[in-house]
Amino acid sequence: NAGVTQTPKFRVLKTGQSMTLLCAQDMNHEYMYWYRQDPGMGLRLIHYSVGEGTTAKGEVPDGYNVSRLKKQNFLLGLESAAPSQTSVYFCASKNRGPSTEAFFGQGTRLTVV
Amino acid sequence: AQSVTQLDSQVPVFEEAPVELRCNYSSSVSVYLFWYVQYPNQGLQLLLKYLSGSTLVKGINGFEAEFNKSQTSFHLRKPSVHISDTAEYFCAVSDLGSSNTGKLIFGQGTTLQVKP
Repeated sequence: NAGVTQTPKFRVLKTGQSMTLLCAQDMNHEYMYWYRQDPGMGLRLIHYSVGEGTTAKGEVPDGYNVSRLKKQNFLLGLESAAPSQTSVYFCASKNRGPSTEAFFGQGTRLTVV
Repeated sequence: AQSVTQLDSQVPVFEEAPVELRCNYSSSVSVYLFWYVQYPNQGLQLLLKYLSGSTLVKGINGFEAEFNKSQTSFHLRKPSVHISDTAEYFCAVSDLGSSNTGKLIFGQGTTLQVKP
């Protein structure tokens, strides 16, 4: 049982380049999330989805776009990467409701130079 | 709006000593509270959660936490730590707003460093 899988695990981008991070979950979860983790700031929510075909902005959405065309996949796009987007990105998924456990991927370490 | 504050960014402790990681939250509504652990180069995994009922919650790996509504705190404790407990620990609250999105709001994290 793979759980939540993120691709790629590491990436170095030049300023202005674009890329897509893929998150795949095999637990049939309705809810999916993208967070970024920066030192001393914990995890901050970028975008989230409460179901296939729906997305919404989180706390820090600027510079990112997302899509959820299939229930099991949640894509995070950077159209024009900036050094401020250097971070570790985590995808999470969970069942409906505020009390259920969130399952996290192992993270994508992105460096923008 | 809800927020979470972890009062210590780093907690060094010797092996077999007790430890407490402090967490305070702010919310105008009832909350669900969580502690997650992140081992080096890994994702987060759930340690324990408080939903309702007994204010003392037991989790995995010998950790426990106590919910204190009057002090709006949810401190994490372990009576005797091991080297393998070295990790970053995150306190989080669940957004119980009308949108029912299940969003988690995280604290800044506390690095627990267990020394031999």
